[in-house]
Amino acid sequence: KAGVTQTPRYLIKTRGQQVTLSCSPISGHRSVSWYQQTPGQGLQFLFEYFSETQRNKGNFPGRFSGRQFSNSRSEMNVSTLELGDSALYLCASSLEAVGTYNEQFFGPGTRLTVL
Amino acid sequence: KQEVTQIPAALSVPEGENLVLNCSFTDSAIYNLQWFRQDPGKGLTSLLLIQSSQREQTSGRLNASLDKSSGRSTLYIAASQPGDSATYLCAVTSGTYKYIFGTGTRLKVLA
Repeated sequence: KAGVTQTPRYLIKTRGQQVTLSCSPISGHRSVSWYQQTPGQGLQFLFEYFSETQRNKGNFPGRFSGRQFSNSRSEMNVSTLELGDSALYLCASSLEAVGTYNEQFFGPGTRLTVL
Repeated sequence: KQEVTQIPAALSVPEGENLVLNCSFTDSAIYNLQWFRQDPGKGLTSLLLIQSSQREQTSGRLNASLDKSSGRSTLYIAASQPGDSATYLCAVTSGTYKYIFGTGTRLKVLA
């Protein structure tokens, strides 16, 4: 069974641009969560999607948005990029929604660098 | 507000040693606790998941315990190997259905 895949793996953008990251969960998994990892703040929860609906959201500005498609694939969008958005963005999938007795499985991440 | 702390922040041990990593959380109302390892620049690999009703889980040389009332979990690694070198993270799922991650313990096992 294929694991969680994320594309692209690496991305370089300039301030003010926007970016879209993609995540394909493990087959059969309906929940996709997104996290931002930086050396200073560690791993922080961005949002979770379950059955195409945003179920929960972390404390990030509205420039960070996401969506989930009917096949459970998810995209995350960041508009008007800032230098501080440089980070490793991780996607995780689980069978059911977070908060139940479910294990999360993580993808390899997308390394975003904002110049 | 749930806060998760891991001690120590970094650890360096000789190969073969048994070691314990600690994870503390402030709100005992959790659904589960999961331990991960992360290699540099990579994603997270799930090691063990402990449900809130469980006291411990074992997988190979790894054993994780959970004491909800005291807000603590420990990850025990037996007979450590250089391949165990990585950052170890714990994460709790709280009542607001979000995963809160700890600060991580960076482990180095010397050959």
